[in-house]
Amino acid sequence: DGGITQSPKYLFRKEGQNVTLSCEQNLNHDAMYWYRQDPGQGLRLIYYSQIVNDFQKGDIAEGYSVSREKKESFPLTVTSAQKNPTAFYLCASNNDRNYGYTFGSGTRLTVV
Amino acid sequence: DQQVKQNSPSLSVQEGRISILNCDYTNSMFDYFLWYKKYPAEGPTFLISISSIKDKNEDGRFTVFLNKSAKHLSLHIVPSQPGDSAVYFCAASAHGQNFVFGPGTRLSVLP
Repeated sequence: DGGITQSPKYLFRKEGQNVTLSCEQNLNHDAMYWYRQDPGQGLRLIYYSQIVNDFQKGDIAEGYSVSREKKESFPLTVTSAQKNPTAFYLCASNNDRNYGYTFGSGTRLTVV
Repeated sequence: DQQVKQNSPSLSVQEGRISILNCDYTNSMFDYFLWYKKYPAEGPTFLISISSIKDKNEDGRFTVFLNKSAKHLSLHIVPSQPGDSAVYFCAASAHGQNFVFGPGTRLSVLP
């Protein structure tokens, strides 16, 4: 079945460490997105990529980095510069906005 | 400033009754709207969409209404079931732009 796989489901990070969240899709979608969910704030866009080897900052890109070397993969690195990284992170993809986004099951990151 | 607002953080409805979730937007360029449903610790799943050329779209128990002049849309769930208990997000997009999500409304359907 086609879909988006995010791993790991839960991740713990020590302060000052970088950590990378994985996102893989087999839907052959061109566009991929990273969102962050905090209580009461909905989904906020971190980075997005419309095509391989190209990506743009979203609304809250500071402290994050991404790469898009393959169509199927869009990993997100949460760097030590991100002041409040504890959150639920969602990866999404789409080809046609009439069908909306397909989301992964998310990664919950906790800084300890 | 939030472009997509869901002013009710939570809503409780009796099983079998109608659930009405509301969404307001400020950007008059938005021309496509989606509703997503999200369970805890899972990704959102697409429910229903509506284009600005329509004022209503129906899919089974779910109906979305769009009032362009008021910049308002609503999701009706009839009849509500306990499995509908989740957080519902409204999202809007202008042509060629990314979707903007509202903060969500938590629906509780009471048996």
